[in-house]
Amino acid sequence: EVQLVESGGDLVQPGGSLRLSCSASGFTFSNYGMHWVRQAPGKGLEYVSGISSKGDNANYVDSVKGRFTISRDNSKNTLYFQMNSLRLEDTAVYYCVKDDGGTYDYWGQGTLVTVSS
Amino acid sequence: EVVMTQSPLSLPGPLGQPASISCRSSQSLVHSNGNTYLTWFHQRPGQSPRRLIYKVSNRDSGVPDRFSGSGSGTDFTLKISRVEAEDVGVYYCMQATLWPRTFGQGTRVEIE
Repeated sequence: EVQLVESGGDLVQPGGSLRLSCSASGFTFSNYGMHWVRQAPGKGLEYVSGISSKGDNANYVDSVKGRFTISRDNSKNTLYFQMNSLRLEDTAVYYCVKDDGGTYDYWGQGTLVTVSS
Repeated sequence: EVVMTQSPLSLPGPLGQPASISCRSSQSLVHSNGNTYLTWFHQRPGQSPRRLIYKVSNRDSGVPDRFSGSGSGTDFTLKISRVEAEDVGVYYCMQATLWPRTFGQGTRVEIE
């Protein structure tokens, strides 16, 4: 059974940093691209970032470029998301999502990041 | 950025009646490899999104056959042949043909 378990969400002040983790199991992690999608409270889904299976190619939505970094450790079956210079508008539930060849088949339960002073 | 526009944004679905959600993209979603990466998700209150339909019309295992997806190019539709109580929630379309990936605004289905 595929499982994606996010962790690391917390309350942080504007300008602060957080690192999210997503622990994967039930599939061969190193064979699949992975993504982060977020959802602000009461709002819709927003694609944030993705990384290739080997970790050699990453993409970001413009609003997080230069502030957030996606990475992965295939030996640990773990996806990471380093979030720096956090802003109020980054407040959201962050989902870890598995990429099944261009379509996203499994989602984690999400981890809440709250940016507030 | 590809803009995904869903309509309607709210759908009061009478039990047992059909329902239809439109998703239009600002650019063609046909990839250079010939695939069209248009996916439909369903999100129930308090839950993570669940994939229903991928590559326009492929239904996920376990998804009832009353759900169907169709369309091509820039114009796509999710149909529910007979709305049931468990179908309540928000439906999103998403494109993964072009970067950055983008979602529609979501369509809320409420059961009358």
